[in-house]
Amino acid sequence: AQSVTQPDIHITVSEGASLELRCNYSYGATPYLFWYVQSPGQGLQLLLKYFSGDTLVQGIKGFEAEFKRSQSSFNLRKPSVHWSDAAEYFCAVGPPIQGAQKLVFGQGTRLTINP
Amino acid sequence: DSGVTQTPKHLITATGQRVTLRCSPRSGDLSVYWYQQSLDQGLQFLIQYYNGEERAKGNILERFSAQQFPDLHSELNLSSLELGDSALYFCASSSRPGPSGNTIYFGEGSWLTVV
Repeated sequence: AQSVTQPDIHITVSEGASLELRCNYSYGATPYLFWYVQSPGQGLQLLLKYFSGDTLVQGIKGFEAEFKRSQSSFNLRKPSVHWSDAAEYFCAVGPPIQGAQKLVFGQGTRLTINP
Repeated sequence: DSGVTQTPKHLITATGQRVTLRCSPRSGDLSVYWYQQSLDQGLQFLIQYYNGEERAKGNILERFSAQQFPDLHSELNLSSLELGDSALYFCASSSRPGPSGNTIYFGEGSWLTVV
């Protein structure tokens, strides 16, 4: 069965520091990959997605993620975090089959920003 | 704003009661998904509808049911509510299947508290 692992439950970084959130997946084929962000009391906002092609994808709010097939990973990065980036981040995978679009989510990584 | 609208945003009800959560998908989207987010289970896929028909089923309890109407809005019905049903219920939508149709956009969720 497909699964997503976000090894870090909670990460704290200083404002202006770089950030990398880890995501590993287990799937029979290359799935569609997503990162979502959930701010406190808010819904899920799509940050970026990978379907195919260039393995380095750019998203909103200055985030990027790199798909590494050999490592079954899709880590999220940002060169310099802002206090407003404090939120919960979810990695998700979806099956590459039209019409069957169930997303499987990781448990999430809570990001805290120190001033 | 994802374009997915959920009502109500907050709901408090007693055990044993029944509630209905409503979702309007993004304009033009034919697929509607329901997810449950709880502290202990994380984000769990409940059910998917595509153009009025049930397409995929996840970890949805028998006490829960959903439907998608001809105008494509969807309702999630939760009955015989238990304390453990307290959670944030997300609706999401996506467009017709296809390379650009596999992005799933989430609403802001309906907070359900069972007391």
